[in-house]
Amino acid sequence: EPEVTQTPSHQVTQMGQEVILRCVPISNHLYFYWYRQILGQKVEFLVSFYNNEISEKSEIFDDQFSVERPDGSNFTLKIRSTKLEDSAMYFCASSAYEKLFFGSGTQLSVL
Amino acid sequence: DAKTTQPPSMDCAEGRAANLPCNHSTISGNEYVYWYRQIHSQGPQYIIHGLKNNETNEMASLIITEDRKSSTLILPHATLRDTAVYYCIVRVVQEYGNKLVFGAGTILRVKS
Repeated sequence: EPEVTQTPSHQVTQMGQEVILRCVPISNHLYFYWYRQILGQKVEFLVSFYNNEISEKSEIFDDQFSVERPDGSNFTLKIRSTKLEDSAMYFCASSAYEKLFFGSGTQLSVL
Repeated sequence: DAKTTQPPSMDCAEGRAANLPCNHSTISGNEYVYWYRQIHSQGPQYIIHGLKNNETNEMASLIITEDRKSSTLILPHATLRDTAVYYCIVRVVQEYGNKLVFGAGTILRVKS
């Protein structure tokens, strides 16, 4: 069964550094999403992406965040200058239409 | 999107049916009911969705009341691997960007 792949599974970075989280969505999907989950809290929507542009974003997704689909297969989330509070599990998801399929996540730890 | 109310936790004996309720009394006519689950800290996993009629797939059954104000997810023969957080989500299916808004969900513990 096709799946969403995320790399790396764990990322440790120093505060103020830039990080790029990578995702390979399911190949025929057109809609892409990033979510995050701080330890012990809800899964939170960050951004959705369709037709090479952001279709919706949450208040969390400020100027420090950006998304890109640099080629036909990858979907990336960049955090420009990481803060301690960015430590969380980040999930990528993709959908053909109404059903979202999630990757297994990248655990980001900001020290 | 309409809000949902779920019990914070439930227990179920292994091999028994797990019935997870969800209240969505403010649901509107074009909103679907979706169920996802999250096992430990893995990514959420789609289970089932429906609009008006009851639905069944290889994982579960979804029973929606006639007035659509509540629904029940049924796992017919729960196993230890079904221990997870179950999310009931109600939303309109849009042309672009069908995001999901997750609540706290129900922690289902399946016990042997």
